[in-house]
Amino acid sequence: ILNVEQSPQSLHVQEGDSTNFTCSFPSSNFYALHWYRWETAKSPEALFVMTLNGDEKKKGRISATLNTKEGYSYLYIKGSQPEDSATYLCARNTGNQFYFGTGTSLTVIP
Amino acid sequence: NAGVTQTPKFQVLKTGQSMTLQCAQDMNHEYMSWYRQDPGMGLRLIHYSVGAGITDQGEVPNGYNVSRSTTEDFPLRLLSAAPSQTSVYFCASSPQTGTIHGYTFGSGTRLTVV
Repeated sequence: ILNVEQSPQSLHVQEGDSTNFTCSFPSSNFYALHWYRWETAKSPEALFVMTLNGDEKKKGRISATLNTKEGYSYLYIKGSQPEDSATYLCARNTGNQFYFGTGTSLTVIP
Repeated sequence: NAGVTQTPKFQVLKTGQSMTLQCAQDMNHEYMSWYRQDPGMGLRLIHYSVGAGITDQGEVPNGYNVSRSTTEDFPLRLLSAAPSQTSVYFCASSPQTGTIHGYTFGSGTRLTVV
């Protein structure tokens, strides 16, 4: 099993704060890295897919970066809002299978 | 376009009972998979299929069977339910393997085995 690790496990921030969290993965046999947003009682929804070292993706206030050589990706949320509260999952795509991290649970306090 | 449909949403089984969790997708995706989600352990792959007639085991296949007779459907069978199979089960599909396409997930089935 090729472990994907996410940190921190959980995070509480005040509304308006910016925050970031990390996804670490084995750098060998890299194919793609996916970020998902998972709200309670719903199913995971795709945020980003990144393939190239140095990739940066942005969707509104959320952005992500990728370093395939050292095996990490950062997810940033600028000016957090209560509706950003969710678990953020990353997954390493080897081309044949996905390996998921355990997620970072974000709570934004109004 | 319904995406990935899972049924039932909730189920309670007694130890030893069998049941089938249904998963259907209407996106003509070749790749379908079943995951279980347990606290602190993330999503773990049970079984997957790269196309009709082809299935393979994932990380935690014991106690589960699958079949893929059509592109659309990928049912998961619990042969003899055990309390250790209490979990939330997600079906997910993707256009095909070997691509950067991510998953589309179903809404999940919460299973309790007593």
